[in-house]
This record gives sequence, C-alpha cells and structure tokens, in this order.
Amino acid sequence: KNEVEQSPQNLTAQEGEFITINCSYSVGISALHWLQQHPGGGIVSLFMLSSGKKKHGRLIATINIQEKHSSLHITASHPRDSAVYICAAGKGDFGNEKLTFGTGTRLTIIP
Amino acid sequence: EAGVVQSPRYKIIEKKQPVAFWCNPISGHNTLYWYRQNLGQGPELLIRYENEEAVDDSQLPKDRFSAERLKGVDSTLKIQPAELGDSAVYLCASSLGDRLLNTGELFFGEGSRLTVL
Repeated sequence: KNEVEQSPQNLTAQEGEFITINCSYSVGISALHWLQQHPGGGIVSLFMLSSGKKKHGRLIATINIQEKHSSLHITASHPRDSAVYICAAGKGDFGNEKLTFGTGTRLTIIP
Repeated sequence: EAGVVQSPRYKIIEKKQPVAFWCNPISGHNTLYWYRQNLGQGPELLIRYENEEAVDDSQLPKDRFSAERLKGVDSTLKIQPAELGDSAVYLCASSLGDRLLNTGELFFGEGSRLTVL
C-alpha cells in the first residue's frame, strides 16, 4: 500500500462542473502539498496546508488531520484546468524536507 | 524573476554512457532538491541540499549517481554509467529555507527527460 493514495486516477468532466480530487495518506506529516503538472511541463505548487482550508481563485484545498485526508476542489472547471494533479505528504520543520508523492490524478475537462 | 532553470530538457544516450544534468535554483533559495519521476509515477527524492551540504541522499544510488552543489547555488546531477532503467524525468526544485519567510513552497524546474537506449 502506497503511503499517499489519490482518487480517482483519471477524471473526465464537462466544462463548468465542480471537481473533487481526494488524497489519503498513512504517514505522519508536517504539511500536505497539492501540485499541478501539465503534459511535458514542470510541476507547479498549488497549495501547502497543514490544517483547515485554503482558497486560491477557483481552487480550494481542505485537509482533515484526524482522518489523514485532503481534497482539492475546482469550481467552474475549464479546459485549461486539464492536467495531472498530485498530492504529496511533506515532513520536516517546513513541511517540505521530504515529500512523498501520490501517483497523480489525470483531469481532462471537455469544452 | 527567473524560475528554476534546468538543462538539458531532453537527452538521449546509449546505455553505459555518462550523462549530466544542471540546475540553477531561484536566486536566494538555499534548499535544492533533485527528484526522479518515472512515467506514470510521482516524483521520488534523490537528494536534498541545504546550501552546499547534502543533508538527505539516502535515496541516491551512489554506485552510479553523484551530485554536487559546490558553491551552494547551482547543482549538477551525474549518472555514470547510465542503465536502461534510468530513463525518467529528472526534476530539480528549490525552496527558501528561512524560518520567518518560508512558506514551504517548492518551485520546480521543467525537468530533464532522459532516454537510455
């Protein structure tokens, strides 16, 4: 069993739909990261959170420390949101010293 | 402000040949990471530097992989000799290791895609 698991592995939705990607982890963490990776491109950090909820534009990330679960939500999804979304469990003082990554959720938004 | 710069973007070599990747982190970032990402998988940490010191190289296959960050700025990752299983994307990332300012965010480069034939 992987230390960080995501679901679903693949998700296809129509433009405008509300998207939820889930992440469960089995290790102790300092922070949980959500990242975005476009095909052939680098990785962009979306959120780092250790409790509660964070919002940036149409993206919302939540975490439940007791349940060791985090979700990434996208409101009013758009084709440009199509990418692989990866969650990663971070350790260390800053929550980034050693990240254990999930295998990612491939999101495709159809116009 | 320039992001994390990596080169080359793509490299194709035959097995047993050497290869080197270069990374220039964001200016002022004292923490530098090398990750390896196999197709369809999440990245795996190879080595983490704090300034010029390698503070975590436990996952670096030291028989064939080496890395250096001599002046605490840019870094080089070398593989010698390369094997077929080394085909992957090698990602460099940096972060600001400042207790007051650090948000914990990692900034990644575009990656170097290695194909070993």
